[in-house]
Amino acid sequence: DGGITQSPKYLFRKEGQNVTLSCEQNLNHDAMYWYRQDPGQGLRLIYYSQIVNDFQKGDIAEGYSVSREKKESFPLTVTSAQKNPTAFYLCATTGTKNIQYFGAGTRLSVL
Amino acid sequence: SQKIEQNSEALNIQEGKTATLTCNYTNYSPAYLQWYRQDPGRGPVFLLLIRENEKEKRKERLKVTFDTTLKQSLFHITASQPADSATYLCALVENTPLVFGKGTRLSVIA
Repeated sequence: DGGITQSPKYLFRKEGQNVTLSCEQNLNHDAMYWYRQDPGQGLRLIYYSQIVNDFQKGDIAEGYSVSREKKESFPLTVTSAQKNPTAFYLCATTGTKNIQYFGAGTRLSVL
Repeated sequence: SQKIEQNSEALNIQEGKTATLTCNYTNYSPAYLQWYRQDPGRGPVFLLLIRENEKEKRKERLKVTFDTTLKQSLFHITASQPADSATYLCALVENTPLVFGKGTRLSVIA
């Protein structure tokens, strides 16, 4: 089953806690992205990576961190510095013609 | 400043009618423009792509136009069905990364 796998589907964070969202792909795509989506809002870019061991900040990177040690994996850590983390998080890869392929998302809530 | 706007936050239409969604942009020179569909609680799914030198693209009941003079793309769903109800996002491809509009939530009423 090819595609992008995000886990977990639901995640709860306690105050002061760091949490990590997983994103794995088997599409053999070089570029991977993390977006945040709030209710009724569009997609806001957090971080992206065009190649292993390299990544760039997006529009709202503060309070988040990423790593790209393997082509298949691009985990996102929501740190305690992110004061309003409740949102729907989407991971994506880019194929030919810059078409984006999205995972099913992780919904993060604060306890 | 650069902007991409989808003019309607929500659009309600009767089943069987044609739905028309608008995407306008400012201060971009996109090589092409894409349209995605997003269902509640799911990730967006790619629908159609149109290049800057193409006026129109069709796929089954979907039609996209691209006017680089007006800086506008129109997305049409003909013979709309309740199953077409979703949020539709446009995205510009100028450089990396893509730039997405906020989306238009379409409701097709039976």
